[in-house]
Amino acid sequence: DTGVSQDPRHKITKRGQNVTFRCDPISEHNRLYWYRQTLGQGPEFLTYFQNEAQLEKSRLLSDRFSAERPKGSFSTLEIQRTEQGDSAMYLCASSQDSNQPQHFGDGTRLSIL
Amino acid sequence: KNQVEQSPQSLIILEGKNCTLQCNYTVSPFSNLRWYKQDTGRGPVSLTIMTFSENTKSNGRYTATLDADTKQSSLHITASQLSDSASYICVVSERGSTLGRLYFGRGTQLTVWP
Repeated sequence: DTGVSQDPRHKITKRGQNVTFRCDPISEHNRLYWYRQTLGQGPEFLTYFQNEAQLEKSRLLSDRFSAERPKGSFSTLEIQRTEQGDSAMYLCASSQDSNQPQHFGDGTRLSIL
Repeated sequence: KNQVEQSPQSLIILEGKNCTLQCNYTVSPFSNLRWYKQDTGRGPVSLTIMTFSENTKSNGRYTATLDADTKQSSLHITASQLSDSASYICVVSERGSTLGRLYFGRGTQLTVWP
């Protein structure tokens, strides 16, 4: 399968812990996006990379959130000092350019106890 | 403010029936509009993508229409199947955005009953 893959699929952790998610985009895609989706809502934009450069961050991305894409391939999203409000599905998507469809992974579902 | 509104919020139909989902947007300037299907627990999958000059586009039993003047789109599903049960999300892209950022609707939750 050469689609977007995300790991882990599910993460359960206690409030206050740090968590890190990984996304492997489609190999030839230079654009990578992170979204957050809560139940009954559409995905909300978090941040965007073109190659290794992080070009935009949403206001939703508080200082507890950090994302990296060190070599322009896979990306990680870290949440520090997790809060219950961080419980959501975190989706990663990639595309070749802005006019091509974004291909989504199946997400990481985060549950904060 | 750029927004995408979808209706209905949820819909239940019988297998074999047709249905139409609506999307209204205020994103401007407009670049393209996409419909995605999202199965429970999965990521969204692209169904169609339409630019300003396209009025209709089909993908199998899915037909999307676009009226860029009224800023409305619809997704028509013909001869529904049980596997069509999913959330259908309308997504609009802003022209001139080199970032490719998308504006998402909340989705229409479609349930197909046997």
